Amino acid sequence: LAKTTQPISMDSYEGQEVNITCSHNNIATNDYITWYQQFPSQGPRFIIQGYKTKVTNEVASLFIPADRKSSTLSLPRVSLSDTAVYYCLVAPNYGGATNKLIFGTGTLLAVQP
Amino acid sequence: SQTIHQWPATLVQPVGSPLSLECTVEGTSNPNLYWYRQAAGRGLQLLFYSVGIGQISSEVPQNLSASRPQDRQFILSSKKLLLSDSGFYLCAWSTGTGQTHKGLLRDSYEQYFGPGTRLTVT
Repeated sequence: LAKTTQPISMDSYEGQEVNITCSHNNIATNDYITWYQQFPSQGPRFIIQGYKTKVTNEVASLFIPADRKSSTLSLPRVSLSDTAVYYCLVAPNYGGATNKLIFGTGTLLAVQP
Repeated sequence: SQTIHQWPATLVQPVGSPLSLECTVEGTSNPNLYWYRQAAGRGLQLLFYSVGIGQISSEVPQNLSASRPQDRQFILSSKKLLLSDSGFYLCAWSTGTGQTHKGLLRDSYEQYFGPGTRLTVT
């Protein structure tokens, strides 16, 4: 399983764009990159998933370079409610088996007023 | 719509006592089910997963066990709790292989988590 590395914490201010980068040097050909968000005392919530280039949804954008050894989660115009832990995961494609997500310690994003 | 329930929400148990945490899912059939534990200030640790009734895979050998007596019911148990069992226990589900969710055939990378049970072993 590919190991991921991301900053332990980040600070930002309301209204700013936040970019959280994750490295996954040993990513395999069939691996997908997935990001989750977790608020205190709650379960994680799926944010976005991608394989290459750029993926955008109503919440965030995910940028993946051609070598796929890193990815960047971009949160546009963050608010105080975006303060949470953000997990970068590399999800192996088991081709029919379960999808076992390996959560690291994540990045604690603190948004200040 | 799909919902996932966990109970109890909080639990304080003495060392050596038994444990039973229950998770149920509504609104879907044949889900993959998962148990995770999160220690204070740590990431999530996958404990067990199940692809069907009676099918349990253990990720971390320890004094915990899991059972799936019904399609949408997942139970986490222990015969004798340890202090190190304290933590936040989360149940999650995902669509099984080849199934659809919201009308789309998709991989099961998206997991849906329950509200969690905070267990304190004293």
